[in-house]
Parts: sequence; C-alpha cells; structure tokens
Amino acid sequence: DAGITQSPRHKVTETGTPVTLRCHQTENHRYMYWYRQDPGHGLRLIHYSYGVKDTDKGEVSDGYSVSRSKTEDFLLTLESATSSQTSVYFCAISGVDRGFAGELFFGEGSRLTVL
Amino acid sequence: AQSVTQPDIHITVSEGASLELRCNYSYGATPYLFWYVQSPGQGLQLLLKYFSGDTLVQGIKGFEAEFKRSQSSFNLRKPSVHWSDAAEYFCAVGDRGLTFGKGTHLIIQP
Repeated sequence: DAGITQSPRHKVTETGTPVTLRCHQTENHRYMYWYRQDPGHGLRLIHYSYGVKDTDKGEVSDGYSVSRSKTEDFLLTLESATSSQTSVYFCAISGVDRGFAGELFFGEGSRLTVL
Repeated sequence: AQSVTQPDIHITVSEGASLELRCNYSYGATPYLFWYVQSPGQGLQLLLKYFSGDTLVQGIKGFEAEFKRSQSSFNLRKPSVHWSDAAEYFCAVGDRGLTFGKGTHLIIQP
C-alpha cells in the first residue's frame, strides 16, 4: 500500500470554525491532491500540488486553501467551515511520473462533519 | 474540459453472472483512463488503467476493460462476479488530477 496518512480521520466541528486536514506521504511523490466525496457527486478535485509551494485550484476550490511547505505534507484548510463542507475528504498522490494524468493512490479518507 | 459519465447508478447482478459497467468519457486528446473500486468505508483502489497500446487491458481481481475510441467508452467487465465484488466502482480520465464519474453501485444477489 502507498504510504499515505490522513489526519484526523474523523472530525466534528461547528460552523464558522477553522479546520485543517493533513496528508502525509512517505513515497516522495511530486504530485498530491485533495478530493471530496459526496453522495451522487463521486469525487471532485479541490486543489492539487505539483511541488513544494506549487499548488493550483481544482473543480470545487471555493472555501478551501492548501499549503505544501514540504514534499511529504499537503494541508487542506477550511478557513471558516460551513455545513456544505460536510464530506469525506481524500488525499491522493500520483503513482507514476506521467505528470498530472498518472494513476492515483488514495489515503483512507477524513470524515468531516460541520454542525 | 474533460468529463466522465457512468450511466448506471445501481446495477444488480447474480453471483456467478457476468458483469459490464459502462463508462463514457469526453476528452480532447488521447485519454488516460482508469477504473477504481471502493468498498464501504474504504479508500479507492486501482483496478486497471489504460495509457496506450492494446485496447483490452487486464486488471486485478479478474477485471478487464476495453478502450473504444470511436465510442468514447471504457467499459469494465468481469466474466463471473463474486459476492466480494459488491462495491462502488468509479471510472476516471486523467488530466490535471483525475476527473471521476459519479460511480456505479454494484449489488450482488446470492
């Protein structure tokens, strides 16, 4: 299994509070991604990173920011959580060097509930 | 922009029967295509992938998929399903990150 660890795995928070999810990889891969999964929507890309300090927006980036100060860590921050951000969040890394289009390996997910 | 359509939200198949899950994609160039499986409460596991070459690709757990450029399809097949195949299946096309379909929920009847 790819060495991807997400933390926390479960979190319940209140509307308006900041939340940070962490993704840590031990594979030294360049590309990292944050997705959210919601019933009826599949997985949607929030943000991605193609190197330290190099990030870009995905399909559903509003309300989210990311940072990558080290190759192994990719942080997803909700500055002010809303109920619409209740979801399961998956981190992924690229398994082969095909740039952005390579196969992804996924973490186990972080379930976030915003009350 | 690329997109993926999985027309079937739910499919019910009897154990031992054959399976075909449909996937249609929209992409401007030669696509990189993937099928993933997700068991309840789990992350996604790669079943198979297509980058180039032979249009019939073999994956894990006895699955295969065929790339048909003329139909913009990448359907997943298995000759004989097992109860353990019950899961959510996602088709994806590669670009800046992968774009996923909404998934097909596979139910196996005894």
